[in-house]
Amino acid sequence: AQTIHQWPVAEIKAVGSPLSLGCTIKGKSSPNLYWYWQATGGTLQQLFYSITVGQVESVVQLNLSASRPKDDQFILSTEKLLLSHSGFYLCAWSPRLGENTGQLYFGEGSKLTVL
Amino acid sequence: GDSVTQTEGLVTLTEGLPVMLNCTYQSTYSPFLFWYVQHLNEAPKLLLKSFTDNKRPEHQGFHATLHKSSSSFHLQKSSAQLSDSALYYCALSYGSSGNKLIFGIGTLLSVKP
Repeated sequence: AQTIHQWPVAEIKAVGSPLSLGCTIKGKSSPNLYWYWQATGGTLQQLFYSITVGQVESVVQLNLSASRPKDDQFILSTEKLLLSHSGFYLCAWSPRLGENTGQLYFGEGSKLTVL
Repeated sequence: GDSVTQTEGLVTLTEGLPVMLNCTYQSTYSPFLFWYVQHLNEAPKLLLKSFTDNKRPEHQGFHATLHKSSSSFHLQKSSAQLSDSALYYCALSYGSSGNKLIFGIGTLLSVKP
């Protein structure tokens, strides 16, 4: 069975400080990987997706970056946090291209509070 | 461009009454439509997805029918339960490879005794 693990579960950070959120998928080879952001009371906004190692596509610009250093790992980061970065960050995976019907499997999320 | 519209931000019902949450969409391609459910302090989980044929997906008493003529995928249930209280998102996968999934703003369903 596939599992998806996000870390950290929650972070409280200062404006201007760096951030790194991680996500690992086990039990699925070459999945499509996604980062979503959910502001408090807001909808799910797709930030990035990746269909293979080393390749990441940006969907919206929020002064964040993403990388896929390994097949099963997806990292979200920034060097300088803004207050507007606060929210809930969700990593998700879907079956690879060819099998993909858009069905996503979400991790449990990382709650970020920027002060 | 592609978009999903959920017109109700909050739906409050008494237990036992029928549920209908609205979802309409615009898409360049023939998209797949989804309903995701998110309970408090949990991650979203897939509830239903549309089929390419005319089958009606059902899960946990919920069902939805894709109507291409009206670009709708409304979520329905005959009798609401207290445990149905959650945030419901309609979503659409678009793009030639289906790698992009766009969510509606969500409808909060609150079921009262």
